[in-house]
Amino acid sequence: GAVVSQHPSWVICKSGTSVKIECRSLDFQATTMFWYRQFPKQSLMLMATSNEGSKATYEQGVEKDKFLINHASLTLSTLTVTSAHPEDSSFYICSARDAEDQPQHFGDGTRLSIL
Amino acid sequence: AQSVAQPEDQVNVAEGNPLTVKCTYSVSGNPYLFWYVQYPNRGLQFLLKYITGDNLVKGSYGFEAEFNKSQTSFHLKKPSALVSDSALYFCAVRDIRRMDSNYQLIWGAGTKLIIKP
Repeated sequence: GAVVSQHPSWVICKSGTSVKIECRSLDFQATTMFWYRQFPKQSLMLMATSNEGSKATYEQGVEKDKFLINHASLTLSTLTVTSAHPEDSSFYICSARDAEDQPQHFGDGTRLSIL
Repeated sequence: AQSVAQPEDQVNVAEGNPLTVKCTYSVSGNPYLFWYVQYPNRGLQFLLKYITGDNLVKGSYGFEAEFNKSQTSFHLKKPSALVSDSALYFCAVRDIRRMDSNYQLIWGAGTKLIIKP
């Protein structure tokens, strides 16, 4: 149980393109979803926290207009990297949780490469 | 300030030997503690958690962790290491600055575990 599906797993695109990443909880309702960014050989950096039907809470230093997050249902959240540039290249990981005292369950991540 | 420390960047263990991956924390009140494992180019997988109860917590893949309040530690252990245990391990603690359902985790820097045949 507690499976989170993240797509796509790998994206290569040109600078200026917008990229959408989907995160789905397959067998539970995710009241809260998290989006992380991970640089090589580093820990996770939380970008934002989202609840279904409400605006995401962004961490300090994360551009809201650059990284658009939508959490339209209890099983789906999307991260759109708008007008991506090479410095946005990274490994993006989502996670979901159904209750306060439960662990976060992670997707397999999306490797984003902007040329 | 709240924090999580994983003092070892890398731990090397021979297959079949016991392993320990260290984690210490600094947080006010009772901590919620977690261990996750990450394989290359994958997301994180939940191993185990401590919220309350027995100090020795058993988790997935034969791993366990011992909560030690006096030493503010939550070391991950396994009695007999497998080569397939080689991965990146993260310790995390609940961020108590937000006590609502949106609470976040404070993550350690990660420890690379290498199990040699």
